[in-house]
Amino acid sequence: DVKVTQSSRYLVKRTGEKVFLECVQDMDHENMFWYRQDPGLGLRLIYFSYDVKMKEKGDIPEGYSVSREKKERFSLILESASTNQTSMYLCASSLIDAWRPQHFGDGTRLSIL
Amino acid sequence: AQTVTQSQPEMSVQEAETVTLSCTYDTSESDYYLFWYKQPPSRQMILVIRQEAYKQQNATENRFSVNFQKAAKSFSLKISDSQLGDAAMYFCAYRSVYNQGGKLIFGQGTELSVKP
Repeated sequence: DVKVTQSSRYLVKRTGEKVFLECVQDMDHENMFWYRQDPGLGLRLIYFSYDVKMKEKGDIPEGYSVSREKKERFSLILESASTNQTSMYLCASSLIDAWRPQHFGDGTRLSIL
Repeated sequence: AQTVTQSQPEMSVQEAETVTLSCTYDTSESDYYLFWYKQPPSRQMILVIRQEAYKQQNATENRFSVNFQKAAKSFSLKISDSQLGDAAMYFCAYRSVYNQGGKLIFGQGTELSVKP
């Protein structure tokens, strides 16, 4: 089975901190994604990557950056955390073909105080 | 830009009954994929069912089936013989075949509760 592992299930940080969310997949998937999930809004794409060192902005990239130095790892960075970034963050990965499903991690519930 | 709309924030069904979750989408593309994902409480999001736009036949996976109406841009999910384990948030999603990276566009979600 595909395993997508997010480094933390729950995380509490303070306003202004630099925050790192890590995601690792074990199935050699080309594509990796970071989503933000908020009630009533569904999942919104922050950034995605279709290859090592490649990244593309999603629908809500402001305040975030990403890093993909190795194929299996995709990191989401909050450069200076703000309270409006309190949310559930989901990482996903998939093979490159459009019909392939995305496989999701358990999510990180991030609270910014 | 493509959009996906789920107009039912919450639904409820009696155990062993059938329930239908609605999803509509907007696109100018002719070829794409549609998905239903399930997110149980505090658990991982998993794929329920997938439909290819070029296929007229509706997809079926055991108790889960879809009603795909391409002209109406409608993609509903039917759950038959509902079980307690079906209680979850359900998301409809769209994926273009044309853009690189294959990003998903999600609806707002429908929270399904199952009554014993």
